[in-house]
Parts: sequence; structure tokens; C-alpha cells
Amino acid sequence: AQTVTQSQPEMSVQEAETVTLSCTYDTSENNYYLFWYKQPPSRQMILVIRQEAYKQQNATENRFSVNFQKAAKSFSLKISDSQLGDTAMYFCAFMTEDNFNKFYFGSGTKLNVKP
Amino acid sequence: DGGITQSPKYLFRKEGQNVTLSCEQNLNHDAMYWYRQDPGQGLRLIYYSQIVNDFQKGDIAEGYSVSREKKESFPLTVTSAQKNPTAFYLCASRGTGGYQPQHFGDGTRLSIL
Repeated sequence: AQTVTQSQPEMSVQEAETVTLSCTYDTSENNYYLFWYKQPPSRQMILVIRQEAYKQQNATENRFSVNFQKAAKSFSLKISDSQLGDTAMYFCAFMTEDNFNKFYFGSGTKLNVKP
Repeated sequence: DGGITQSPKYLFRKEGQNVTLSCEQNLNHDAMYWYRQDPGQGLRLIYYSQIVNDFQKGDIAEGYSVSREKKESFPLTVTSAQKNPTAFYLCASRGTGGYQPQHFGDGTRLSIL
């Protein structure tokens, strides 16, 4: 079974500090793609960052970076220099190469950035 | 600007009534999806469509129906058979080729009157 687990329902961080959101997943497939989505209070889902499983180099997008550990099936998101606008729900997701139409989402982590 | 438009933003349903949620995209994407989101939970797939005039059930299709008569449009009907329709509904689309991510609309919140 394909599953995604986000073990931190809620986290807080002070503005300008760094925070890491954890995500583990389970799949028997070897080729897959991982994503982090952000859902602010406005409720729109926004793609934050993505990673191809066959790439060893961790993806980065400005203040957002991932720590991808394929053997451990771990895909954590690091947010540096946290800003108030980062307050949102963050969802980890993946899809496998054999079915691009099936995205597996975690239950989300609510991040509160405090001033 | 290209994107996905969902309407209405808020919708209220009376008992025994069918309601239709609109989803339109101008991204020229072939694949479109409907998800349901309940408080504190992730997204659950209701239906998806890979091409015009074709669609498949997702994990929680019971009580819902869809159509895909045009590439740009993928409306979702919440039927009276859906006994617990109160939720946030998200529409998404995805381009083909490689590991394209899904792009989402702003969502529709459906409540029971």
C-alpha cells in the first residue's frame, strides 16, 4: 500500500528562524516523485517544491529545501528565515511512475509562524 | 493568466438536493481531478479524468458524479445520495509529460442547510 505519514499535526516557529517538517512515505515502486504543497488560510493549494526520487541531490527553492533520504523513505521540508506568510498547512505528497493520476497525500502539518 | 477557476466559493445544499460545483481550467491540461478535504485531514480523490469523455472513480466516488464534455471543464455533482457532503472541495489539473505536479483551484466550501 502507498501511504504518506506526517507525524507532526501542528508546529510553531518564530519569525526568521528555521523549521523542519517531517514526512515519511511507503511505496514498493522505485520511480516516484515527491511534492510539498502549502495551503494558507485562503485554502488554495500551492506547490512549494518537488523532488524526483532518482535524483540524489536535494531540491531547493529559495528559502525552502528538502532532505530526501530514499532508503529511509523520508522527505522532510526545511523552511529557512521563516516569514509570517509561511503560516499554512503543509502537505507532503507523492506519485509513482506507474500511475501519474494517483497522488498520495499526507494528513498535513499546520505551521504557525509567530512574530 | 492561466489557472483553475472553481465556482462558487461557498455553496449550500438542502436535503435531497443535487448541487453542481464548477471547475474550469485554461492551462490546456488533459487531466483533471476532484478532491474532498475534511477538517484536519488530507485530500481524498473523488474522480479524475485523463481525457475528454472519459473519467474514473477515485477512492470516495459514491454519491458523486462528473462529466468531461470539454477539455477545459470538469464539473462535479454532489447528489442526494451523498449523506455527508459538508466539506471543502478542490479541483486540480495536470499536464502530461514527466512528473508534472497537480495545480489546484481555490476550492468550494459546501455546507448543508
